[in-house]
Amino acid sequence: GAGVSQSPSNKVTEKGKDVELRCDPISGHTALYWYRQSLGQGLEFLIYFQGNSAPDKSGLPSDRFSAERTGGSVSTLTIQRTQQEDSAVYLCASSLMSGTGGRDTQYFGPGTRLTVL
Amino acid sequence: ILNVEQSPQSLHVQEGDSTNFTCSFPSSNFYALHWYRWETAKSPEALFVMTLNGDEKKKGRISATLNTKEGYSYLYIKGSQPEDSATYLCASPTNAGKSTFGDGTTLTVKP
Repeated sequence: GAGVSQSPSNKVTEKGKDVELRCDPISGHTALYWYRQSLGQGLEFLIYFQGNSAPDKSGLPSDRFSAERTGGSVSTLTIQRTQQEDSAVYLCASSLMSGTGGRDTQYFGPGTRLTVL
Repeated sequence: ILNVEQSPQSLHVQEGDSTNFTCSFPSSNFYALHWYRWETAKSPEALFVMTLNGDEKKKGRISATLNTKEGYSYLYIKGSQPEDSATYLCASPTNAGKSTFGDGTTLTVKP
């Protein structure tokens, strides 16, 4: 079946512009995760959705970052007034979330490479 | 251990060699431990989800063990092949889904 998809695959934007990154999880997966990897850094947790709810938003780096999920499916990560330090690969993952959050296998999308000039 | 730490940072082995690396994690409030393989230009691929002390999981030539009391997990690769070259990540999630990742061990297998 179809895996996790993300769009766009690459995004180049100018400092100060807003960007939206999209994630389509595997059908039937109720849990959705956003991560990012900045150059030379490890993988950083951003936010997790169980259905449409995000119980923990503490991973979002600043109030310029927001995420939403509608209909328990597609999620959008929005970065307002982008800064050069936002340049990174943004990865999305989904899992079945069979009531044991954190113990399910996560399936990753191909990522969006964001470059802020 | 306050964070998830992996060692070594990188490893170069010859084809056919067996190798292993370590993931250390906070042993208090342990919930689960994930191992991933991340090949260049691809997405991270889940290898194992480990939850019980003493767990040992195997997938082909790759296996992993878990010690939750002392806070470490080992990943073993038997008879390394060039296609095993990748970065191996471990992650420790909470029951709220928030994962802390190690920086990974980058394995290079030379033919």
